[in-house]
Amino acid sequence: AQSVAQPEDQVNVAEGNPLTVKCTYSVSGNPYLFWYVQYPNRGLQFLLKYITGDNLVKGSYGFEAEFNKSQTSFHLKKPSALVSDSALYFCAVRGIYNQGGKLIFGQGTELSVKP
Amino acid sequence: DAGVIQSPRHEVTEMGQEVTLRCKPISGHNSLFWYRQTMMRGLELLIYFNNNVPIDDSGMPEDRFSAKMPNASFSTLKIQPSEPRDSAVYFCASSLNSAGNTIYFGEGSWLTVV
Repeated sequence: AQSVAQPEDQVNVAEGNPLTVKCTYSVSGNPYLFWYVQYPNRGLQFLLKYITGDNLVKGSYGFEAEFNKSQTSFHLKKPSALVSDSALYFCAVRGIYNQGGKLIFGQGTELSVKP
Repeated sequence: DAGVIQSPRHEVTEMGQEVTLRCKPISGHNSLFWYRQTMMRGLELLIYFNNNVPIDDSGMPEDRFSAKMPNASFSTLKIQPSEPRDSAVYFCASSLNSAGNTIYFGEGSWLTVV
């Protein structure tokens, strides 16, 4: 079965500092990995995805993620955090083969950026 | 460029009443998903359709829940009768039918059953 795990329920960062939100995955075959962000009372917004190719993927709002096959990780990063980055972040894997095309989400990580 | 459109955005209803949530996917997308989000259970897939056909409904909680997709531009999720434990945010999402394609979410329908 395909799954993702986000080991941290909450991440606290000071504004201007780099941030990392962790994600590990378990898949059979090639992974299709995604990051979404959810602001309060809003839907999920797509940030970036890894399909194939370069292990460093750049996305919206200055975020990037590094695909690491040996560590089965896909951590989300940003060099300099903003207070406005405070939100709930979800890592997801898109199922293929017997799990069809659905997104399987991690439990989410609450990012809090303090001034 | 219109995204996934859901209605109603908010609904408060009494236990036992029927609830119908509606979704218009992005034009041209042939996969549609219904997710539910709660504090306790996070994001759960309820059902998804490919080319208007239900592919996986194993996440539908029980017979009180039903979903239809009569055409490529419209889907409904119905709860009958509703119960307080159905209170949640229900998201509709759509994409092209390929694992590498992005799934786009609507703003959600916030349901409260009292």
